[in-house]
Amino acid sequence: DQQVKQNSPSLSVQEGRISILNCDYTNSMFDYFLWYKKYPAEGPTFLISISSIKDKNEDGRFTVFLNKSAKHLSLHIVPSQPGDSAVYFCAASARNAGKSTFGDGTTLTVKP
Amino acid sequence: DTAVSQTPKYLVTQMGNDKSIKCEQNLGHDTMYWYKQDSKKFLKIMFSYNNKELIINETVPNRFSPKSPDKAHLNLHINSLELGDSAVYFCASSLLGSGNTIYFGEGSWLTVV
Repeated sequence: DQQVKQNSPSLSVQEGRISILNCDYTNSMFDYFLWYKKYPAEGPTFLISISSIKDKNEDGRFTVFLNKSAKHLSLHIVPSQPGDSAVYFCAASARNAGKSTFGDGTTLTVKP
Repeated sequence: DTAVSQTPKYLVTQMGNDKSIKCEQNLGHDTMYWYKQDSKKFLKIMFSYNNKELIINETVPNRFSPKSPDKAHLNLHINSLELGDSAVYFCASSLLGSGNTIYFGEGSWLTVV
């Protein structure tokens, strides 16, 4: 049972445009959501997060939106830059669960 | 300074061998993890330790035995390696609790031939 899903394995956008990465979850106990970015041959690194008490969190070019009723969150990158090309993982955690559950990842390619 | 470091980064070994991957974190975190990324790129948790105690074991075969000598170290020992064990293994650490950022090591690429 995959509790966190990223249904788009890949996404390609033009430099300067908006990138939108989507993530769906099934466990209503999740109360914190994070996005990680991963370059080849490196470990995932934290990008941005959102608590379930919010519906939006913004950090520079990155904005995460949370729709709790739809159990859906999205990461917006605007404007997209070639250096944003990486694999993006969505992750969710529940209070006292002791772990984060990761999605399958979406490979973003930003073309110059 | 590397926050979460794991060694070796690359490991090629034959089926049936026993191997270990070491991990250390210098972030003062109380929780450490092992994640496995398989050929389909799924990132799945294997183990989680809090203050040297096992808190999560995600139905990993007994051939995998984590050991945490102290809060800053979590090593992974694998017995009788099988072809299907080939994957990238990521060590990670965090403070215990929902919403705390997990910091990952660079990964250990294990290839079983």
